[in-house]
Amino acid sequence: DAKTTQPNSMESNEEEPVHLPCNHSTISGTDYIHWYRQLPSQGPEYVIHGLTSNVNNRMASLAIAEDRKSSTLILHRATLRDAAVYYCILKHAGGTSYGKLTFGQGTILTVHP
Amino acid sequence: GAVVSQHPSRVICKSGTSVKIECRSLDFQATTMFWYRQFPKQSLMLMATSNEGSKATYEQGVEKDKFLINHASLTLSTLTVTSAHPEDSSFYICSARDGPTGTIYFGEGSWLTVV
Repeated sequence: DAKTTQPNSMESNEEEPVHLPCNHSTISGTDYIHWYRQLPSQGPEYVIHGLTSNVNNRMASLAIAEDRKSSTLILHRATLRDAAVYYCILKHAGGTSYGKLTFGQGTILTVHP
Repeated sequence: GAVVSQHPSRVICKSGTSVKIECRSLDFQATTMFWYRQFPKQSLMLMATSNEGSKATYEQGVEKDKFLINHASLTLSTLTVTSAHPEDSSFYICSARDGPTGTIYFGEGSWLTVV
């Protein structure tokens, strides 16, 4: 799977939007962009995923660059419960290895009251 | 929604003993589950892929005789750490893919402390 690059850490204030960037310049045409987050002492939690078009769900929005070489996870109004490590992961669609995720170091998001 | 549950959430065992961790998919059937290990302040590292009804596939460097994986049903995979040593102390996490939606769900994790 292609590699992703994320900032080590970011900070935000409560109630403000947060934009978490991810670079994936070697992404292939069949790679989906997945975002997971991990709260302290918990397993990762699915946030959102997309292929080409921007995606929205109740947790966040995913903005994908036109060339797909980067993407941004948007938390519209950060809360203290959003403090976590956010992982951007690329994954081929289908195939026997689907579901097998390679985690990088992720971005540690700190939310200040 | 779909849930993956692990048990126990925390376990302490003596060095040299074996400990079993269960991973269950509660709302869906999972022919494939995955086991990860995470040391403090580090990212998750995939240990093995658990296949229902067949042998697990281990990642390079993971001892298959030490980390026994059994996937006897479509909703249950177990990881047994045999002859545990203090260096096996870690956070063990499983995941499973919900076939129809393609979403991958993770368990809550299991803390293993070997004393």
